[in-house]
Amino acid sequence: KNQVEQSPQSLIILEGKNCTLQCNYTVSPFSNLRWYKQDTGRGPVSLTIMTFSENTKSNGRYTATLDADTKQSSLHITASQLSDSASYICVVSYNSGNTPLVFGKGTRLSVIA
Amino acid sequence: DAGVIQSPRHEVTEMGQEVTLRCKPISGHDYLFWYRQTMMRGLELLIYFNNNVPIDDSGMPEDRFSAKMPNASFSTLKIQPSEPRDSAVYFCATSEQGGETQYFGPGTRLLVL
Repeated sequence: KNQVEQSPQSLIILEGKNCTLQCNYTVSPFSNLRWYKQDTGRGPVSLTIMTFSENTKSNGRYTATLDADTKQSSLHITASQLSDSASYICVVSYNSGNTPLVFGKGTRLSVIA
Repeated sequence: DAGVIQSPRHEVTEMGQEVTLRCKPISGHDYLFWYRQTMMRGLELLIYFNNNVPIDDSGMPEDRFSAKMPNASFSTLKIQPSEPRDSAVYFCATSEQGGETQYFGPGTRLLVL
C-alpha cells in the first residue's frame, strides 16, 4: 500500500536552533517527493521538489534530502525563526508524473522565543 | 497575479443542504486540483482537471460530490446533500502544464451542522 509516514507528529524548538523532520514512504514506482509548508489557516506552499536522481535540494534555510534506496527524506531547518512555526507536509507522487499523490499527515513545528 | 482565488472562505450550513465551493485558477495554469483536509486524514486529493477535462476523480468520496470546470478560469466543487462528516477545509490548487509546483488557494472552511 502506498503510504507516507512523517515524524515527529509535533515538535517544539527554541528560536535559532536547527531541527530535522523525517519522511518515510512506501510509494512505488517513485516519481518525485515534495515538501510543503502550511501556515495556520492558509494553503500549503511548496518548499522543495526532488526527483529520483536528486539527493539534496535547498531553499534558503530549508534543506531537503532524499535517499531513494531507503525511501527516506528529511527536511532540515537551519537557524529557526518564529515564522517557521507551521505544519510541514511530505508528499510523494508515483507512476511517472505529478499525480497521483500520497500525502503525509504532516509535522507540526512550533518555534518559541 | 492574485494567486488562486477561492470562495467562500467560510461556509456554515445545515445537513442536507447543497454546498458549492468555487475556485479561480492562476491565469495560464492548465492543471486544477481539489483537495480536502481534516485533522484525522490530512490532505486528500479529490479530483483534478487538465485543460478543463477531469482526469482522475478516484478521490471523490461518493456520489454526493461533483466537480466541474466549465472553462479555464473557473471550477466548482458541489456537495449535495451535505453531511456533518463533510466538514473540512477544501483547497483548490493549480499548476502549469508539465509543472511540478502546485499553488494552493487559501481554502474554504466548511462546517456542516
